[in-house]
Order: sequence, then structure tokens, then C-alpha cells
Amino acid sequence: KQEVTQIPAALSVPEGENLVLNCSFTDSAIYNLQWFRQDPGKGLTSLLLIQSSQREQTSGRLNASLDKSSGRSTLYIAASQPGDSATYLCAVRGRAGNMLTFGGGTRLMVKP
Amino acid sequence: SQTIHQWPATLVQPVGSPLSLECTVEGTSNPNLYWYRQAAGRGLQLLFYSVGIGQISSEVPQNLSASRPQDRQFILSSKKLLLSDSGFYLCAWSVSLSGGYNEQFFGPGTRLTVL
Repeated sequence: KQEVTQIPAALSVPEGENLVLNCSFTDSAIYNLQWFRQDPGKGLTSLLLIQSSQREQTSGRLNASLDKSSGRSTLYIAASQPGDSATYLCAVRGRAGNMLTFGGGTRLMVKP
Repeated sequence: SQTIHQWPATLVQPVGSPLSLECTVEGTSNPNLYWYRQAAGRGLQLLFYSVGIGQISSEVPQNLSASRPQDRQFILSSKKLLLSDSGFYLCAWSVSLSGGYNEQFFGPGTRLTVL
């Protein structure tokens, strides 16, 4: 059974710092990995999708990498801003079906 | 462009009462549809998913059920709510494209409190 872990569970940084969020998964037989952002009381916003054949994806100040063989992904946020404060979730899609398995999330606070 | 709607946004129900949450998707055809629950202090749990009208798969045995009466409509129901059904319910959709591409998009959610 696939298990997804995100470390740290919470992170507080001053504005302007570059930061890395980590995601690990136990079964490397995945189709893709997706990073989401969730603001308090809101739904999930898709940030980046990395196919299993890809090594990284970039969108603005966000860069996500995937090392499928070691079961790891990182989300790099450059020049963090207070507006980046949210919970970040990673999820992997296995090869059996279209379902995602989610990590517990990293709650990020960027202080002005 | 595609949009996904959920209603109601919030709901407070007594224990033992029935439940009906609705999700609709616009701007796409034959989507895969999903119901998730996010309980306080716990991660996202997949409850049901559907690949077509009338085709429902359950991931977690419980007192909830799901139905898909139309291509872009997904309904989550219960005949008798339990306290443990409280949580944030999220609907999501995706389409399966060539090469295994399948990105999920989420609705705004329904906050359910069972008293």
C-alpha cells in the first residue's frame, strides 16, 4: 500500500527566504506526482504535476523535482512571500487506477 | 474553461439526519469524479470515485454512499449521519489523457458539522 510522508509538518520562515518542502513515497511505481496548495477553509489548488518520466516542473517561483527511484519529490519556493502562507500537499497517482494518495501536508507560514 | 461547483458551502446537521452533498463540473465531458473527506488532524481520505454514469467505486466502508445520475454530477449521501461524519468534503475531477496524464482539480469544499 502506498504511503506518502511530508516533512516538516510545519515551517515558519521570514519573508524572502528560499525554502524546500519534502515529500517521500514508498512505492516508486507511480504515474505522476501532484503538488497542491490549500488555504484555510478552502479547496485544493493544483500547483504542479510531474509525470513519472519527468525530473522537474517549474511555474513562476515554484520548482518541483521528482526522483522516482528513491521515492522523493521536493517543492522549491524561491523568494518566499507572506502570500505563500498555506498548507502544501503532495499526492502520488499509482499505476492501479486514477486515485491519488496524499501526504499529511506541510503548513507554511511566511512572516513579513 | 472548466469549473467545479459544490453546495452547500457549509452545513450543520443533527446526528441521525440524512445528508445530500452535490458536485457539478462544467466545461468537460466524461470526467473522472472523486469525493474526499478531510477530517481535523487527518489527511485527505478518498471516499468514492466514478469513471462514468452509474459507475461508483467505494474506497472506505462506511454509512455514506455516492451516486452519479448525470455525466457531470456527483452526489454524496447518507441516510443517518454520525458524529464521525463531520469534516470537510471535497469533490474533484480529472480526465485521462494519452501517456497517463491525469491531473486532478478540486472544488471549494463543503464544511459539514454533525451535532
